[in-house]
Amino acid sequence: QSVLTQPPSASGTPGQRVTISCSGSSSNIGSDTVKWYQHLPGTTPKLLVFNDNQRPSGVPDRFSGSKSGTSASLAISGLQSEDEADYYCAAWDDSLNGHVFGTGTKVTVL
Amino acid sequence: HVQLQESGPGLVKPSETLSLTCTVSGDSISSYYWNWIRLPPGKGLEWIGYIFHSGNTNYNASFRSRVTMSVDSSKNQVSLKLTSVTAADTAVYFCAREMTVFGAFDLWGQGTLVTVSS
Repeated sequence: QSVLTQPPSASGTPGQRVTISCSGSSSNIGSDTVKWYQHLPGTTPKLLVFNDNQRPSGVPDRFSGSKSGTSASLAISGLQSEDEADYYCAAWDDSLNGHVFGTGTKVTVL
Repeated sequence: HVQLQESGPGLVKPSETLSLTCTVSGDSISSYYWNWIRLPPGKGLEWIGYIFHSGNTNYNASFRSRVTMSVDSSKNQVSLKLTSVTAADTAVYFCAREMTVFGAFDLWGQGTLVTVSS
């Protein structure tokens, strides 16, 4: 079972801004950096954000991460059709001594 | 250009052992943690565990009694064995490289579907 909670779905029209939340606890988000992954079914998951708000080379700046306390968010600005995918947050959990993922959010571009 | 490729049987019978291999090409497996992650149908990502190139391992407590990971540096491969499988172990299994500093999975294999069925 996931220890990081995300909304099951989010949606927006092209060009809009969509925000996905990720709620955790002091043993994970509260004490470790947050990562965000994008997964289009049938393809390889892609790292979008690491260290709470840093983007790997090649990830558009439309994707931005933030964190406050035991919660984090991923914002997608200028939504595009190719952004339609599943998004997962992740962190290290000190209590479980392992990586944990969020429940996942399916983003739909209307 | 570093690539990860999972391989192994796509069908495993209940109570048997699931065995997968991840072959790393384009770079050495040294100096990284190599993780196994799975995606059950209709569910979210689930971390199974990691192995360091030295052979040190850390497993998700949910799998600890059933999982074994190993590394073969000569072949640039890491392997996963999961015993006593049930239908609940049906999933796409990914291997992923973990960044040494930030603990992020920066490189993933394409994944391989393993179905547990008689």
